[in-house]
Amino acid sequence: QKEVEQNSGPLSVPEGAIASLNCTYSDRVSQSFFWYRQYSGKSPELIMSIYSNGDKEDGRFTAQLNKASQYVSLLIRDSQPSDSATYLCAVDRPPSGNTPLVFGKGTRLSVIA
Amino acid sequence: EAGVAQSPRYKIIEKRQSVAFWCNPISGHATLYWYQQILGQGPKLLIQFQNNGVVDDSQLPKDRFSAERLKGVDSTLKIQPAKLEDSAVYLCASSLSASEQFFGPGTRLTVL
Repeated sequence: QKEVEQNSGPLSVPEGAIASLNCTYSDRVSQSFFWYRQYSGKSPELIMSIYSNGDKEDGRFTAQLNKASQYVSLLIRDSQPSDSATYLCAVDRPPSGNTPLVFGKGTRLSVIA
Repeated sequence: EAGVAQSPRYKIIEKRQSVAFWCNPISGHATLYWYQQILGQGPKLLIQFQNNGVVDDSQLPKDRFSAERLKGVDSTLKIQPAKLEDSAVYLCASSLSASEQFFGPGTRLTVL
């Protein structure tokens, strides 16, 4: 069984700080990696995708991928109370392309005003 | 562009009853997924369709769950008979390419 591991949290950070969310995965040949944000009672919302090693930035969000270490992370700069949510890490199942995703259990982030 | 539509949004049934959920994917998305999300867990795939063919149903409890996607657009997921442990949110997602999947609002099922 392919696994995606995340700390369940809660991770509490003060407003304006950097929140760092981490994820490890077990299938070495996975190629596509995603971060979803899920507010309580809502469905997951795609916020970042990353496919190659290194960093990918989009506004206040930066996704980092290290395939050798099988590690993917999400940094949220200038955290806002509205960022308080559960963040789900998702990984594809090879071969890539329109495959189901394997999700971690999510990390609950709380941004304190 | 309209997102993934699902109905109903909420459903409460008693155990051993049957229930059906409906999903309409984003226009043009050939791939459709049904996921089950139990409270405190990440979504777990139940079934994947490519157009109207099943690609992956390895985690679908086929003794009680069934799904179809006639004409390669809308899909229905049925549970018959329901068990207490089926209480969850049932999420439909669709994708065009490169595994980027977009989720509908989900159906929250409570089995009493």
